[in-house]
Amino acid sequence: DSGVTQTPKHLITATGQRVTLRCSPRSGDLSVYWYQQSLDQGLQFLIQYYNGEERAKGNILERFSAQQFPDLHSELNLSSLELGDSALYFCASSEAGLAYNEQFFGPGTRLTVL
Amino acid sequence: AQKVTQAQTEISVVEKEDVTLDCVYETRDTTYYLFWYKQPPSGELVFLIRRNSFDEQNEISGRYSWNFQKSTSSFNFTITASQVVDSAVYFCALSEAGQGAQKLVFGQGTRLTINP
Repeated sequence: DSGVTQTPKHLITATGQRVTLRCSPRSGDLSVYWYQQSLDQGLQFLIQYYNGEERAKGNILERFSAQQFPDLHSELNLSSLELGDSALYFCASSEAGLAYNEQFFGPGTRLTVL
Repeated sequence: AQKVTQAQTEISVVEKEDVTLDCVYETRDTTYYLFWYKQPPSGELVFLIRRNSFDEQNEISGRYSWNFQKSTSSFNFTITASQVVDSAVYFCALSEAGQGAQKLVFGQGTRLTINP
């Protein structure tokens, strides 16, 4: 158990809908990351937050947004969902969000868009 | 731009065999960090090791060893005397230093199956 929690574990929804994925980092970790894992794209970095501020952005679609709250939990919002958004979404956390920090991953949220 | 290539999509061996997972990376930075993660069938990604670009010493941890060679931009992972519990997808990843941020770039992963 990495200490990172993600809810929900599974999510099934329809095209055009909006969903929110939630992540709680390990105790003491200030940085949170979001990743998308799909069969065709592999593991892709989406976005990083550090202590409430956005630090780095990857291949995140404009339909997707995220934020990190004062209690350090984070939410990833996916809107206008398409079939291709079906994937496993991971949250990870690290102590300081620096390039050498190891990241601890949560169990993931499996999103299915029908 | 950063890139990580794991050319072996799938490897299947019999228990107790040694197996090496290849990882080749591309980066223009002189300071960078390399990682290996394991994704067992349960799905969660587990950190295995981190190496920085200035430390080319090989590392051994039990049955696991890592060979980092800057000259060939490779960071290979060897499991000695493999066991069924080693069956998983293994990812190599690269992170470039700078600006207080971390973007991990992952390879496509190698699915390792250890057969009893």
